[in-house]
Formats: sequence, C-alpha cells, structure tokens
Amino acid sequence: DAGITQSPRYKITETGRQVTLMCHQTWSHSYMFWYRQDLGHGLRLIYYSAAADITDKGEVPDGYVVSRSKTENFPLTLESATRSQTSVYFCASLGIDMTTDTQYFGPGTRLTVL
Amino acid sequence: GNSVTQMEGPVTLSEEAFLTINCTYTATGYPSLFWYVQYPGEGLQLLLKATKADDKGSNKGFEATYRKETTSFHLEKGSVQVSDSAVYFCALDTGRRALTFGSGTRLQVQP
Repeated sequence: DAGITQSPRYKITETGRQVTLMCHQTWSHSYMFWYRQDLGHGLRLIYYSAAADITDKGEVPDGYVVSRSKTENFPLTLESATRSQTSVYFCASLGIDMTTDTQYFGPGTRLTVL
Repeated sequence: GNSVTQMEGPVTLSEEAFLTINCTYTATGYPSLFWYVQYPGEGLQLLLKATKADDKGSNKGFEATYRKETTSFHLEKGSVQVSDSAVYFCALDTGRRALTFGSGTRLQVQP
C-alpha cells in the first residue's frame, strides 16, 4: 500500500515490558517523526529523523529509543513501558522538496500500558 | 520556546452556522502555520497552511489568515456541515520541520 502505515494499530502491554511500534512509508521521504497524542496536550514530538542514520530528540524523548537504518522505516521502542506512556502514537513523514512542507500522518497506534 | 494556544472546546454549532476557532502562537523567527483536522479514529490530515505574513490558506470552505501583528491564525468557515465534526489542530514549524501543535479543538455540528 502506498503512503504511511503503522503497526500494530492497537497494543496492550504490561509495565516493564519492551514494546516496538513500527512505521513504514513508501514515498522515500527524508524526514520522519514520532508524536504522542494525549488529551489536553495535542501532539508532542518524541523523536525525529532527517535521514537514514540521523535522529534527534524532540520535546518528550525520555523512555523511548528510535533507529533509522532504512529511509522507509522508523521504529519507536519503549525500552521498559510505564503507565504514563499509555497514549496514541502517530508517525509522520515529510518530503524534502522545498516547494512543500506538508507532513503526512499515519493512522496511529493506540498503546495501553497496564 | 515555541507554543500554540487554541480555544478550548468542544465547540457545538448547528448546521450552516459560522465557525471561528482561535489560534495564537509564540515563536522565534517566521514560522509556517498550519491547520490539521482529525476525524474520529483517523490520523491527522492537513487542512490548510500559510507560510508568510498576510498569506491566506484555504481549503474545503475553511480559511485562515497569517496575522503577524497579532501572532494569530484563526480558522473560519462560513457554513459548517455535520461532516465537519472533528478535532482541529493549529500548528507551527519554525524551519526545523517538526511541528509544534496546539491542544486541539473539538467541533460538533448538529443537524
């Protein structure tokens, strides 16, 4: 499928477990992002990547790890999940074409940490 | 730091009513401004954008004008429909490419 996909769409896990959320885009966009959405906070940036093997922290990076070995994939790992990481996670990508600066969002992953 | 402030919702309107959702921002430099919409159970979609002062973004009957003097980017629509019911997010980008979002405003349109 063309576009940007996330998996799983829903995940329930327990405190202390490691969880990896997957993000895949088919446009070969250079930039990719992870946001979390919490009631009253809108979306907050966790990590972003300007290209393969280049990542940087966003507003709320603690407790998360990312990697970008291939341009099309940008997995997000919760090394030891906590209840405060219960949220909806959105991945996004952005083309480097200077005529546009539109981010395209995936459908989201709803994560519940018990 | 950068921040976006939106009016709190929910905003409840009758069909064909006029809509305004206020958005103000604080940012260094000259940000690009965006409105995104999120329909129930879906990801965010770009609704409109403006990249410099006095630009007007428009799409699907929605409009917003980049007002540098008041640091605002208010969203308007002359006649809302039930299908416009969604959560609307104002956002900015100062050139880092990552977006800073407001907290979102839920719009409910009643028939």
